[in-house]
Amino acid sequence: SQQGEEDPQALSIQEGENATMNCSYKTSINNLQWYRQNSGRGLVHLILIRSNEREKHSGRLRVTLDTSKKSSSLLITASRAADTASYFCATDARDSSYKLIFGSGTRLLVRP
Amino acid sequence: DAGITQSPRHKVTETGTPVTLRCHQTENHRYMYWYRQDPGHGLRLIHYSYGVKDTDKGEVSDGYSVSRSKTEDFLLTLESATSSQTSVYFCAISESSSYGYTFGSGTRLTVV
Repeated sequence: SQQGEEDPQALSIQEGENATMNCSYKTSINNLQWYRQNSGRGLVHLILIRSNEREKHSGRLRVTLDTSKKSSSLLITASRAADTASYFCATDARDSSYKLIFGSGTRLLVRP
Repeated sequence: DAGITQSPRHKVTETGTPVTLRCHQTENHRYMYWYRQDPGHGLRLIHYSYGVKDTDKGEVSDGYSVSRSKTEDFLLTLESATSSQTSVYFCAISESSSYGYTFGSGTRLTVV
């Protein structure tokens, strides 16, 4: 079964708005990662947050991690049409630290 | 994607035939992974490798085998392809799960 589950499954926003995606997971983790996938392409690593971190920023991306709730959120600020993609969270379980388990993803559509 | 290539990019094969997909990296990363991606399931781990000749099963390994005789190559074999193995297959590499993965561009496999 999948470790991470994203919410919502799909999100449609206007260009310039912020987009928030959430991820919940089941077991203790070492770190949580977010990836983007453009249609027909491979996944691209966006950001990694370790279990002892609560928040991390990278450009227009902000990731938070709440280990007590086993959840994470990805915020994309001032969205652009080019942000249209699917976004996945992935976790590595503490009992198997060298493999990532992916969620089913959030499809983001940014309308021009 | 820089440093990792998958071949072939597309393949159509008949039920019952053997199929081998190749992943080649030039990054000298220790870890290599095979995932499949299907609608509604996100990415699911098939097999992974943590060194030459060191491999282990993922969550959907039935019907698949792998080999890694050199650091740079990780082969995925479907011994006798079935229609349920129609999917997009992604290879990924990593120094460890404490770092982001780099994904290949994928192989679209159709079993008819």
